[in-house]
Amino acid sequence: SQELEQSPQSLIVQEGKNLTINCTSSKTLYGLYWYKQKYGEGLIFLMMLQKGGEEKSHEKITAKLDEKKQQSSLHITASQPSHAGIYLCGADPGNQFYFGTGTSLTVIP
Amino acid sequence: AAGVIQSPRHLIKEKRETATLKCYPIPRHDTVYWYQQGPGQDPQFLISFYEKMQSDKGSIPDRFSAQQFSDYHSELNMSSLELGDSALYFCASSRQVTGANVLTFGAGSRLTVL
Repeated sequence: SQELEQSPQSLIVQEGKNLTINCTSSKTLYGLYWYKQKYGEGLIFLMMLQKGGEEKSHEKITAKLDEKKQQSSLHITASQPSHAGIYLCGADPGNQFYFGTGTSLTVIP
Repeated sequence: AAGVIQSPRHLIKEKRETATLKCYPIPRHDTVYWYQQGPGQDPQFLISFYEKMQSDKGSIPDRFSAQQFSDYHSELNMSSLELGDSALYFCASSRQVTGANVLTFGAGSRLTVL
C-alpha cells in the first residue's frame, strides 16, 4: 500500500509569515492531491498535481510535485488566520484514495 | 452547485446499537468512498463503490457493511456499536477520469457512541 508521510505534524505561525508543508510518498505518485480541513468539518479540495516538476498556485497557496514524483510541498505565503486548519495530501494508486498523516496549522493573529 | 449530502449530521447511539449513515453523491459521479476519522486522526478509508459495485475495501470492521443503491446513494450500516466507533464519517464522490480522481467530500456525519 502507499504511505504518505507529512511534515511537520503541526505548525504554529504568526500571521504574515510564510510556511511550507511537505508530503513524502513511499511510492511514485501518479497524482497528488491537497485538501484542507477545518476542525471537525469536511475536506475541501485545494489542488491536484500530476506531472513531475508541476507547480500550481491558488491565491496565496502554491503546491509543487518534485521531478521524481515522490514528494510534494505546499507553500503558503503571508499566512492569514483563514489558512488555519488541517492540510492533508492524498494519492490515488487505484480504487482507494490514501491520505497523508496531516499537518495542523495554527495562525496567530 | 450540488455537493455531497450526508445524513444525519449528528447521531448519538449506545453501545451494541445499530446506526445507518446515508450519502448522496454529486449527480453523475460514479464512485463513492467512505472514510472514518477518529479524534485527531487522518481519515481512514473504509470502502468504495464504483457504479454500484464494491470496488475496494479498506479497514472496515466486519460489523460494518455498506452498499450503493440504484439511485447511486450509499448507506453505511454499523452494528454492535462500540465506544471506539465514535468518529466523523465522511462520504466522498468522484467521477473517474483517466489520470485524475478528485474527490468531493460531504460535511460528515458525527457518530457518538455512549
